[in-house]
Amino acid sequence: IQLTQSPSFLSASVGDRVTITCRASQGLNIYLAWYQQKPGKAPKLLIYATSTLQSGVPSRFSGSGSGTEFTLTISRLQPDDFATYYCQQLTSYPFTFGPGTKVDIK
Amino acid sequence: EVRVVESGGGLVQPGRSLRLSCAASGFTFDEYAMHWVRQAPGRGLEWVSSITWNSDTTAFADSVKGRFTISRDNSKNSLYLQMDSLRHDDTALYYCAKDLGPHGVGIHYWGQGTLVTVSS
Repeated sequence: IQLTQSPSFLSASVGDRVTITCRASQGLNIYLAWYQQKPGKAPKLLIYATSTLQSGVPSRFSGSGSGTEFTLTISRLQPDDFATYYCQQLTSYPFTFGPGTKVDIK
Repeated sequence: EVRVVESGGGLVQPGRSLRLSCAASGFTFDEYAMHWVRQAPGRGLEWVSSITWNSDTTAFADSVKGRFTISRDNSKNSLYLQMDSLRHDDTALYYCAKDLGPHGVGIHYWGQGTLVTVSS
């Protein structure tokens, strides 16, 4: 299963609503996860099972979707959110990652 | 506190082998699937391999299939990645990571990674 993400790069301002889309080459079950990675750091799990917020992750992050299209939404972008975001499917092996979306400061 | 600590990385010549280890602590190791994920310099994340809680299922990325082997020793709270026939494009930071569940749900905890450099 191949994953694509759009956009690959996003320039936004603090307070903006941001949506990142992850599309799969085949239909997925609910096991789609989202991660945030900052430079020089290990990734951090934000969302799993499409829409379940990982403990400790701010509620401004949300996930939705089904089938072949999934989205990560940040309701009001904060300074700490500027990072690269990856989706990953865990429906079937290989557990592929998307290519990433870099969110930068406008 | 959950911890996963990788070791075993280093500089290796093409065609040679390397074995990565991951020491886990702070959780009941034999209840969770474990993963190896790598990241080449300046590139995105690449899933490498996974093993379920009881080792009944292992899986590999096409790029490493037939060359890498994953295993775990639940009595030692340890995960391993045996890497044979290494190639230049295996150069990356290799993360050991814990899943949320016994199979594949989401990668919950990540180590800091161990760097593998394949070069002559």
